[in-house]
Amino acid sequence: SAVISQKPSRDICQRGTSLTIQCQVDSQVTMMFWYRQQPGQSLTLIATANQGSEATYESGFVIDKFPISRPNLTFSTLTVSNMSPEDSSIYLCSVPGRSIPNTEAFFGQGTRLTVV
Amino acid sequence: AQTVTQSQPEMSVQEAETVTLSCTYDTSESDYYLFWYKQPPSRQMILVIRQEAYKQQNATENRFSVNFQKAAKSFSLKISDSQLGDAAMYFCAYRSRDDKIIFGKGTRLHILP
Repeated sequence: SAVISQKPSRDICQRGTSLTIQCQVDSQVTMMFWYRQQPGQSLTLIATANQGSEATYESGFVIDKFPISRPNLTFSTLTVSNMSPEDSSIYLCSVPGRSIPNTEAFFGQGTRLTVV
Repeated sequence: AQTVTQSQPEMSVQEAETVTLSCTYDTSESDYYLFWYKQPPSRQMILVIRQEAYKQQNATENRFSVNFQKAAKSFSLKISDSQLGDAAMYFCAYRSRDDKIIFGKGTRLHILP
């Protein structure tokens, strides 16, 4: 299993500003995932962050809006840039389990972002 | 591309009764993993149960069990002896070969005292 610390846990931001969310894992992992959960909705994958390479973004998400850093095997950041109220969501980082039977994804506590 | 479908946006069950949440998925992969996650108001994603596609036996975890029908691509969750603490959003999820987790839209479960 993996223990993931994510911060901040919540923030209220002004439109037009940027927020960086940090995700720290207690073990080295190759892949980290960032998800967005809009109010009352399911989790949508934003991007995959691999150490030493550019993040891979899913359809509908772009690097200019959601730049990601992955400086080492235990840490990643997601920045939400030039925020608008539509960016108000929960953002979660996740790592995949590696060993059977722990094949599920492990999640941080999430960051609740409100843009005003 | 893989998809996960949960057709029940909300369900209610009387405390101590049994409820079944439905999930279907679509994939061309033969080996994969399926999960049910619970998300209470704290928003923490909590694993309820996992199923490996290569295993024919249905997974069970205490009061939680699944009915896994691989040919039908169906993966339902049964909660027995429902408790107030079971009230939450439940997500069916699929892990693809590239390790991405794809989620259904979720089912909000209400427990009636």
